[in-house]
Amino acid sequence: RKEVEQDPGPFNVPEGATVAFNCTYSNSASQSFFWYRQDCRKEPKLLMSVYSSGNEDGRFTAQLNRASQYISLLIRDSKLSDSATYLCVVLQPSSASKIIFGSGTRLSIRP
Amino acid sequence: EPEVTQTPSHQVTQMGQEVILRCVPISNHLYFYWYRQILGQKVEFLVSFYNNEISEKSEIFDDQFSVERPDGSNFTLKIRSTKLEDSAMYFCASSGRDSNTDTQYFGPGTRLTVL
Repeated sequence: RKEVEQDPGPFNVPEGATVAFNCTYSNSASQSFFWYRQDCRKEPKLLMSVYSSGNEDGRFTAQLNRASQYISLLIRDSKLSDSATYLCVVLQPSSASKIIFGSGTRLSIRP
Repeated sequence: EPEVTQTPSHQVTQMGQEVILRCVPISNHLYFYWYRQILGQKVEFLVSFYNNEISEKSEIFDDQFSVERPDGSNFTLKIRSTKLEDSAMYFCASSGRDSNTDTQYFGPGTRLTVL
């Protein structure tokens, strides 16, 4: 099983739609989780950290399910500018600094 | 807003040549990282650096690679003898005082092309 696994997509949804991505991780001891977005040929940029209690930032909601070892990202009222690749990121539990990236889920919002 | 900067934005080199990629992390950050992303593939961790020494490295980071913080602001990645398969985007990142929770901020990357 891959350390961090994501559906590569692409997800192609109309503007205004709600879309959700899941990401699974293999190490049950993992503690820190993040969602980054990456535009084509650009650097990854933090979208949000994922907390045990779940967290929301505007149109974005992140959830953590430790029992099933997955994290999710929900985007409501999607905008054209949300088109990007969304990267699931997990901090290695045995490490203070090594983060593992998923392969990313491509999202394309159409007008 | 402070940001991580990287130079050059694009480096073209011949196989077997040495390259040095440069990064200026955010000024009050203590942890520094290098990642690479081969075109069409995922971002891969190479190395982390704290308190003037390597704290973690991946299996990719072999003897051909080295990192250095030559002064108070720069953080460099050296590839001693480049191979074709080293062609990739190299991202530098930095984070603050708590590497467990602090966000890693990424620079815009250096695209390395090995011919």
